[in-house]
Amino acid sequence: SQKIEQNSEALNIQEGKTATLTCNYTNYSPAYLQWYRQDPGRGPVFLLLIRENEKEKRKERLKVTFDTTLKQSLFHITASQPADSATYLCAPGNAGNMLTFGGGTRLMVKP
Amino acid sequence: NAGVTQTPKFQVLKTGQSMTLQCAQDMNHEYMSWYRQDPGMGLRLIHYSVGAGITDQGEVPNGYNVSRSTTEDFPLRLLSAAPSQTSVYFCASSYHNSYEQYFGPGTRLTVT
Repeated sequence: SQKIEQNSEALNIQEGKTATLTCNYTNYSPAYLQWYRQDPGRGPVFLLLIRENEKEKRKERLKVTFDTTLKQSLFHITASQPADSATYLCAPGNAGNMLTFGGGTRLMVKP
Repeated sequence: NAGVTQTPKFQVLKTGQSMTLQCAQDMNHEYMSWYRQDPGMGLRLIHYSVGAGITDQGEVPNGYNVSRSTTEDFPLRLLSAAPSQTSVYFCASSYHNSYEQYFGPGTRLTVT
Protein backbone atom coordinates (compact mmCIF):
# COMPACT_ATOMS: atom_id res chain seq x y z
CA SER A 1 0.00 0.00 0.00
CA GLN A 2 1.02 3.63 -0.43
CA LYS A 3 3.18 5.02 2.31
CA ILE A 4 4.05 8.68 2.87
CA GLU A 5 6.74 9.38 5.44
CA GLN A 6 7.58 12.67 7.07
CA ASN A 7 9.81 13.11 10.07
CA SER A 8 7.44 12.89 13.03
CA GLU A 9 9.95 14.57 15.32
CA ALA A 10 9.75 18.34 15.56
CA LEU A 11 12.38 20.35 13.72
CA ASN A 12 13.84 23.16 15.85
CA ILE A 13 15.86 25.85 14.12
CA GLN A 14 17.09 29.34 14.82
CA GLU A 15 15.50 32.37 13.20
CA GLY A 16 17.21 33.31 9.95
CA LYS A 17 18.36 29.77 9.16
CA THR A 18 17.01 27.58 6.37
CA ALA A 19 14.54 24.89 7.39
CA THR A 20 14.52 21.70 5.30
CA LEU A 21 11.68 19.21 5.63
CA THR A 22 11.64 15.80 3.96
CA CYS A 23 8.82 13.79 2.42
CA ASN A 24 9.46 10.22 1.24
CA TYR A 25 6.93 7.99 -0.46
CA THR A 26 6.82 4.30 -1.39
CA ASN A 27 4.58 2.10 -3.56
CA TYR A 28 3.40 5.23 -5.31
CA SER A 29 4.05 7.15 -8.51
CA PRO A 30 2.39 10.53 -8.00
CA ALA A 31 1.82 12.92 -10.87
CA TYR A 32 2.30 15.86 -8.52
CA LEU A 33 3.05 16.64 -4.91
CA GLN A 34 1.61 19.38 -2.73
CA TRP A 35 2.77 20.98 0.49
CA TYR A 36 0.37 22.40 3.07
CA ARG A 37 0.81 24.39 6.26
CA GLN A 38 -1.35 23.64 9.30
CA ASP A 39 -1.57 25.78 12.42
CA PRO A 40 -2.98 24.36 15.68
CA GLY A 41 -6.77 24.12 15.63
CA ARG A 42 -7.06 25.08 11.98
CA GLY A 43 -7.40 23.40 8.62
CA PRO A 44 -4.42 22.92 6.28
CA VAL A 45 -3.57 25.76 3.91
CA PHE A 46 -2.12 25.10 0.45
CA LEU A 47 1.42 26.36 -0.15
CA LEU A 48 2.93 24.85 -3.30
CA LEU A 49 2.34 22.22 -5.95
CA ILE A 50 5.12 20.61 -7.98
CA ARG A 51 4.52 18.28 -10.91
CA GLU A 52 6.47 15.12 -11.75
CA ASN A 53 8.19 16.81 -14.71
CA GLU A 54 9.40 19.72 -12.55
CA LYS A 55 12.57 19.41 -10.51
CA GLU A 56 12.15 22.55 -8.45
CA LYS A 57 9.59 25.22 -7.68
CA ARG A 58 9.91 28.46 -5.75
CA LYS A 59 7.49 30.88 -4.12
CA GLU A 60 8.96 33.77 -2.17
CA ARG A 61 11.02 32.16 0.66
CA LEU A 62 9.75 28.66 -0.13
CA LYS A 63 11.41 26.11 -2.38
CA VAL A 64 10.25 22.59 -3.17
CA THR A 65 12.14 19.86 -5.02
CA PHE A 66 10.71 16.64 -6.41
CA ASP A 67 12.95 13.67 -7.16
CA THR A 68 10.91 10.86 -8.72
CA THR A 69 13.94 8.55 -8.76
CA LEU A 70 14.56 8.90 -5.03
CA LYS A 71 10.79 9.14 -4.41
CA GLN A 72 11.40 12.18 -2.30
CA SER A 73 10.40 15.82 -1.98
CA LEU A 74 12.30 18.43 0.00
CA PHE A 75 10.63 21.58 1.31
CA HIS A 76 12.86 24.52 2.18
CA ILE A 77 12.04 27.74 4.01
CA THR A 78 14.88 30.25 3.73
CA ALA A 79 15.44 33.08 6.24
CA SER A 80 12.99 31.39 8.58
CA GLN A 81 10.92 33.45 11.01
CA PRO A 82 9.05 32.54 14.22
CA ALA A 83 5.82 33.06 12.23
CA ASP A 84 6.84 30.06 10.09
CA SER A 85 6.34 27.79 13.10
CA ALA A 86 3.62 25.31 12.16
CA THR A 87 3.12 21.75 10.99
CA TYR A 88 3.89 21.11 7.34
CA LEU A 89 2.15 18.33 5.44
CA CYS A 90 3.17 16.78 2.16
CA ALA A 91 0.53 15.26 -0.09
CA PRO A 92 1.37 13.37 -3.26
CA GLY A 93 -1.50 13.06 -5.69
CA ASN A 94 -2.66 11.68 -9.00
CA ALA A 95 -5.42 12.51 -11.42
CA GLY A 96 -8.78 13.04 -9.79
CA ASN A 97 -7.69 15.40 -7.00
CA MET A 98 -7.18 12.49 -4.62
CA LEU A 99 -4.39 13.19 -2.18
CA THR A 100 -2.60 10.97 0.29
CA PHE A 101 -1.23 12.97 3.20
CA GLY A 102 1.85 12.38 5.26
CA GLY A 103 1.69 12.71 9.03
CA GLY A 104 3.36 16.12 8.96
CA THR A 105 6.48 17.62 10.49
CA ARG A 106 6.24 20.27 13.17
CA LEU A 107 8.63 23.18 12.63
CA MET A 108 9.63 25.44 15.53
CA VAL A 109 11.59 28.58 14.68
CA LYS A 110 13.18 30.18 17.72
CA PRO A 111 13.97 33.90 17.84
CA ASN B 1 -16.31 34.62 -0.16
CA ALA B 2 -16.72 32.60 3.02
CA GLY B 3 -14.69 29.76 1.50
CA VAL B 4 -15.32 26.36 3.10
CA THR B 5 -17.47 26.40 6.22
CA GLN B 6 -18.09 23.56 8.65
CA THR B 7 -20.57 23.16 11.48
CA PRO B 8 -20.51 22.40 14.31
CA LYS B 9 -17.01 23.26 15.51
CA PHE B 10 -17.22 20.87 18.45
CA GLN B 11 -19.52 17.92 19.15
CA VAL B 12 -19.79 15.26 21.84
CA LEU B 13 -21.82 12.14 21.08
CA LYS B 14 -22.68 9.01 22.98
CA THR B 15 -21.95 5.63 21.42
CA GLY B 16 -24.74 4.67 19.05
CA GLN B 17 -26.00 8.19 18.37
CA SER B 18 -26.14 9.52 14.84
CA MET B 19 -25.37 12.98 13.57
CA THR B 20 -24.53 14.99 10.46
CA LEU B 21 -21.46 17.16 10.02
CA GLN B 22 -22.21 20.02 7.67
CA CYS B 23 -19.88 21.36 4.98
CA ALA B 24 -20.54 24.13 2.49
CA GLN B 25 -18.44 26.05 -0.03
CA ASP B 26 -19.24 29.14 -2.06
CA MET B 27 -16.46 28.88 -4.67
CA ASN B 28 -18.39 26.73 -7.15
CA HIS B 29 -15.85 23.93 -6.74
CA GLU B 30 -16.70 20.62 -8.36
CA TYR B 31 -14.62 18.46 -6.06
CA MET B 32 -15.37 18.07 -2.35
CA SER B 33 -14.00 15.63 0.18
CA TRP B 34 -14.02 14.65 3.84
CA TYR B 35 -10.91 13.76 5.83
CA ARG B 36 -10.34 12.71 9.39
CA GLN B 37 -7.16 13.62 11.23
CA ASP B 38 -5.86 11.55 14.11
CA PRO B 39 -2.60 12.10 16.04
CA GLY B 40 0.35 10.57 14.21
CA MET B 41 -1.78 9.32 11.32
CA GLY B 42 -2.15 12.34 9.12
CA LEU B 43 -5.26 13.13 7.14
CA ARG B 44 -7.18 10.14 5.82
CA LEU B 45 -9.78 10.41 3.09
CA ILE B 46 -13.26 9.23 4.07
CA HIS B 47 -15.46 10.07 1.07
CA TYR B 48 -15.25 12.40 -1.89
CA SER B 49 -17.43 13.80 -4.65
CA VAL B 50 -16.51 15.03 -8.14
CA GLY B 51 -19.82 16.81 -8.63
CA ALA B 52 -23.46 16.96 -7.63
CA GLY B 53 -25.01 13.51 -7.51
CA ILE B 54 -21.65 11.70 -7.60
CA THR B 55 -19.88 10.33 -4.52
CA ASP B 56 -17.26 7.68 -3.91
CA GLN B 57 -15.42 6.05 -1.05
CA GLY B 58 -11.98 7.00 0.16
CA GLU B 59 -9.55 5.17 2.38
CA VAL B 60 -11.70 4.88 5.54
CA PRO B 61 -15.40 5.00 4.57
CA ASN B 62 -16.88 2.51 7.04
CA GLY B 63 -19.42 4.02 9.43
CA TYR B 64 -19.90 7.16 7.34
CA ASN B 65 -22.38 8.19 4.68
CA VAL B 66 -22.37 11.14 2.27
CA SER B 67 -24.58 12.69 -0.37
CA ARG B 68 -24.11 15.60 -2.78
CA SER B 69 -27.42 17.03 -3.87
CA THR B 70 -25.99 20.48 -4.67
CA THR B 71 -22.60 21.82 -5.74
CA GLU B 72 -22.32 23.82 -2.52
CA ASP B 73 -23.09 21.24 0.19
CA PHE B 74 -21.47 17.94 1.16
CA PRO B 75 -22.75 16.63 4.52
CA LEU B 76 -21.11 13.71 6.32
CA ARG B 77 -23.39 11.41 8.30
CA LEU B 78 -22.29 9.21 11.16
CA LEU B 79 -24.81 6.39 11.25
CA SER B 80 -24.06 4.95 14.70
CA ALA B 81 -21.20 6.71 16.43
CA ALA B 82 -18.37 4.66 17.92
CA PRO B 83 -15.44 5.76 20.13
CA SER B 84 -13.09 4.94 17.20
CA GLN B 85 -14.70 7.84 15.33
CA THR B 86 -13.36 10.35 17.84
CA SER B 87 -11.29 12.59 15.61
CA VAL B 88 -11.03 15.97 13.93
CA TYR B 89 -12.94 16.08 10.66
CA PHE B 90 -12.02 18.36 7.78
CA CYS B 91 -13.96 19.13 4.65
CA ALA B 92 -12.09 20.31 1.56
CA SER B 93 -12.98 21.51 -1.91
CA SER B 94 -11.20 22.29 -5.17
CA TYR B 95 -11.71 22.89 -8.85
CA HIS B 96 -11.54 19.61 -10.75
CA ASN B 97 -8.42 20.54 -12.73
CA SER B 98 -6.68 22.64 -10.09
CA TYR B 99 -5.67 20.12 -7.38
CA GLU B 100 -5.14 22.91 -4.81
CA GLN B 101 -7.54 22.06 -2.01
CA TYR B 102 -9.24 24.53 0.30
CA PHE B 103 -9.94 23.20 3.76
CA GLY B 104 -12.59 24.16 6.26
CA PRO B 105 -11.78 24.94 9.91
CA GLY B 106 -12.64 21.42 11.10
CA THR B 107 -15.08 19.75 13.48
CA ARG B 108 -13.70 18.17 16.65
CA LEU B 109 -15.84 15.13 17.47
CA THR B 110 -15.68 13.13 20.69
CA VAL B 111 -17.63 9.89 21.05
CA THR B 112 -17.99 8.58 24.60
